[in-house]
Amino acid sequence: DAGVIQSPRHEVTEMGQEVTLRCKPISGHDYLFWYRQTMMRGLELLIYFNNNVPIDDSGMPEDRFSAKMPNASFSTLKIQPSEPRDSAVYFCASSLTRGRGDDEAFFGQGTRLTVV
Amino acid sequence: GDSVTQMEGPVTLSEEAFLTINCTYTATGYPSLFWYVQYPGEGLQLLLKATKADDKGSNKGFEATYRKETTSFHLEKGSVQVSDSAVYFCALRKEPGYQKVTFGTGTKLQVIP
Repeated sequence: DAGVIQSPRHEVTEMGQEVTLRCKPISGHDYLFWYRQTMMRGLELLIYFNNNVPIDDSGMPEDRFSAKMPNASFSTLKIQPSEPRDSAVYFCASSLTRGRGDDEAFFGQGTRLTVV
Repeated sequence: GDSVTQMEGPVTLSEEAFLTINCTYTATGYPSLFWYVQYPGEGLQLLLKATKADDKGSNKGFEATYRKETTSFHLEKGSVQVSDSAVYFCALRKEPGYQKVTFGTGTKLQVIP
C-alpha cells in the first residue's frame, strides 16, 4: 500500500482565498484524522471520522474550517476564507480498528500551508 | 481530561551518548501508550508502543516501559546516532477501541557527530 497520501505537499495562498487540502487514507482503514501542527501549539486534532461519518469536530478552530469524507477513500479539509494564522502543516492520518488498544495511526507527509 | 507531558526540547547530544526523553501522562482507566517519531519534512510514524502496565516497547534500539505507579513512559536509547535526529512525540489512547490519540508537544532531538 502507498500509505496515506496528501495533496498538495505545499500550498501558498493569499489571505481571503479558499484552500482545499486532500487526503487519501490507507485502503480498508475505518478511521481518518485531520491534525494541524504549529510551533506554538504543537499537534492539534481538528476532526476525525469513523466509516466516513464525522465523530468529533471539537478541535476545528472556527466556522471557516470544514471537513468532508464523501467516501472511504477520500477526505477534504477546507478553509474559507483563509487567514495568515492558518499557516501550519496539516496532517491526515488513518487507522484500522482492531479493538486491542495498540491500533496504529498512519500519517501522511502533510501539507505545508502558507497564507500571505 | 487525558493529557501527555513531555520534557522541553531541544535536546542536543553527541553521537553514542545515552538518551532519555521523559514522558508522563494523566488518564483514567488503562490507556495504551505510544512513542511516535517525525523526521524532517515527514509525517509521524510509530516508533514503539505498550498496552499495559510493565510492558516494554522496543524498536530500533529505543525502549520505553509503561510504569503505572509513576504514570510514566520514558523513552531511552543506549547509543544515539546522527540519524536519530528527529522530533519525538509521546502519546496515549485512553482505552481499546477508542481511536482518538492524545499527543504530547514533541521533543526535538539533535545528535551531533
